[in-house]
Amino acid sequence: QVQLVQSGAEVKKPGASVKVSCKASGYSFTSTDINWVRQATGQGLEWLGWMSPNSGNTDYPQKFQGRITMTRDISITTAYMELSSLTSEDTAVYYCVSKSGSRFDYWGQGTLVIVSA
Amino acid sequence: QSALTQPASVSESPGQSITISCTGTSSDIGTYNYVSWYQQHPGKAPKLLIYGVSSRPSGVSHRFSGSKSGNTASLTISGLQAEDEADYHCTSYTTSSTYIFGPGTKVTVL
Repeated sequence: QVQLVQSGAEVKKPGASVKVSCKASGYSFTSTDINWVRQATGQGLEWLGWMSPNSGNTDYPQKFQGRITMTRDISITTAYMELSSLTSEDTAVYYCVSKSGSRFDYWGQGTLVIVSA
Repeated sequence: QSALTQPASVSESPGQSITISCTGTSSDIGTYNYVSWYQQHPGKAPKLLIYGVSSRPSGVSHRFSGSKSGNTASLTISGLQAEDEADYHCTSYTTSSTYIFGPGTKVTVL
């Protein structure tokens, strides 16, 4: 079955960067785009962008351009999301999600990122 | 681009039906049939319920249905059950080639 397993919780200081990993299994890693979505406590979901594991192409909403980078290592079927210049506003649970067409099909378990001095 | 608009909460008794609205603009819901809905239980990741406005993935109960009229999409849950108590999120593709979400609606089964 399709599984996306993410790395563990992180605590970072303001101004630092965080890199979250997402290990995919149970399907062809290069056949489906990987998206990232975050959710601050008690808040709604926010789309952070997508990456094609096949080509490495990415697209990010303007809000995050220059601060977010999505990469992958095909050899270990793992996607990564790195967010820099962290502030307290970036404290949230970060999810990797496989997307087929317009549907966010399968979600990772989430990674809590806390930004605190 | 502003988030989609959803009611903060909806409550109803078991066995009844509820409808959750998701209002956007002509730049998102009004232009594309790329509306999907997700169910999220506390502490869990969201789960896909509806995609393409009204299609259900295999394994999702027929009690969940989706529709759209103009700039507003709707999710209807019929025969409400205790296990339906959760947060429900809508999302749409936009003319800016991005995805936007609503703030989520908390459903309480009385």
